[in-house]
Amino acid sequence: NAGVTQTPKFRVLKTGQSMTLLCAQDMNHEYMYWYRQDPGMGLRLIHYSVGEGTTAKGEVPDGYNVSRLKKQNFLLGLESAAPSQTSVYFCASSRAGGRTEAFFGQGTRLTVV
Amino acid sequence: DQQVKQNSPSLSVQEGRISILNCDYTNSMFDYFLWYKKYPAEGPTFLISISSIKDKNEDGRFTVFLNKSAKHLSLHIVPSQPGDSAVYFCAAIAYSGAGSYQLTFGKGTKLSVIP
Repeated sequence: NAGVTQTPKFRVLKTGQSMTLLCAQDMNHEYMYWYRQDPGMGLRLIHYSVGEGTTAKGEVPDGYNVSRLKKQNFLLGLESAAPSQTSVYFCASSRAGGRTEAFFGQGTRLTVV
Repeated sequence: DQQVKQNSPSLSVQEGRISILNCDYTNSMFDYFLWYKKYPAEGPTFLISISSIKDKNEDGRFTVFLNKSAKHLSLHIVPSQPGDSAVYFCAAIAYSGAGSYQLTFGKGTKLSVIP
């Protein structure tokens, strides 16, 4: 009963490096989300997807790209990491229809030095 | 402009007493509201929700109240237990067009239940 799984759990990057965060869900959910959590800022939506092959920008999309090639996976990419992207990243998924709870992964702590 | 506001960053309550966490929203298009609980080093977990057609929803020790005219909701925990110590996020959902919905979170309130 895995739910939402994020890989990796921790990562340290140098400024300018690139990386991809992987999110996988086994609940057959249509909707998937990427959030970042920063001290005093709560959870802010980066990008989201309402189905396989579709993505949309959230509140803070700059510096990130996403892809949803398979329904169960949602990838978050950082092409050129910056210290401002140091954060805890959470992936979530939910059923279609919108008015329903989202299930979260355990988070990825990313530090950009 | 923050659409979901939790104005109290922290709250301390004695074990056995009531905890009341508040949340205000500005977007009148929000029609579904949720509370999430988050422990350190874990992802948020869903706690309780309420539709805008209701004004109260109860689940065990947790009750959420919604006052649409004031654009205000609150989470009551009775009685509070030390295991309830966590960060609580208020969240709201609005239809954002083209068949998609957007989930917006507040900044969170850290609840400490003192034994």
